[in-house]
Amino acid sequence: EPEVTQTPSHQVTQMGQEVILRCVPISNHLYFYWYRQILGQKVEFLVSFYNNEISEKSEIFDDQFSVERPDGSNFTLKIRSTKLEDSAMYFCASRTRRTSADTQYFGPGTRLTVL
Amino acid sequence: QKEVEQNSGPLSVPEGAIASLNCTYSDRGSQSFFWYRQYSGKSPELIMFIYSNGDKEDGRFTAQLNKASQYVSLLIRDSQPSDSATYLCAALGGRGSTLGRLYFGRGTQLTVWP
Repeated sequence: EPEVTQTPSHQVTQMGQEVILRCVPISNHLYFYWYRQILGQKVEFLVSFYNNEISEKSEIFDDQFSVERPDGSNFTLKIRSTKLEDSAMYFCASRTRRTSADTQYFGPGTRLTVL
Repeated sequence: QKEVEQNSGPLSVPEGAIASLNCTYSDRGSQSFFWYRQYSGKSPELIMFIYSNGDKEDGRFTAQLNKASQYVSLLIRDSQPSDSATYLCAALGGRGSTLGRLYFGRGTQLTVWP
């Protein structure tokens, strides 16, 4: 069964450093998302992406964040200058088509630790 | 502010019992609702979705939606210890959300004891 994959599973970085989190969505999916979950808190939407452009972003997704689909398979989230409060699990999700019933399938996540 | 509220629990039931999980949402424009299961340190795993008022059954799981009351629930029949996890309720963003932003509740932690 097709799955969303994410790399790395765990990333440790120093405050102020840039990180790139990578995702490979399910191959026939067209809509891509990033969410994050700070330990003990709810899953929060960051950004949605379709047709090579951002469709919607939350208030969390400020100028330090960017997303890209550099080729036909990868979808990346870049944090330019990490802060301590960026430490969280980051989940990539994808779905196939734009109807209300279609579900978003989540990858296993990348645990980002900012020291 | 669009909110999804869940009782955080913990909810503890014996094996074989019915577990009842509840969720309310604030955005009347939301049309679709999802229940995800999340084991500790893992990603959300879809259990089921519902978008019509009433009940929807899938095996041991039944989702219930009442749009007038802005209320969603999940019943787990014949609960098993393997059902022990955190259950996340999510609402698909309504008007103003172009590609299906999900709003999640904090989750209800369920423990099924043998």
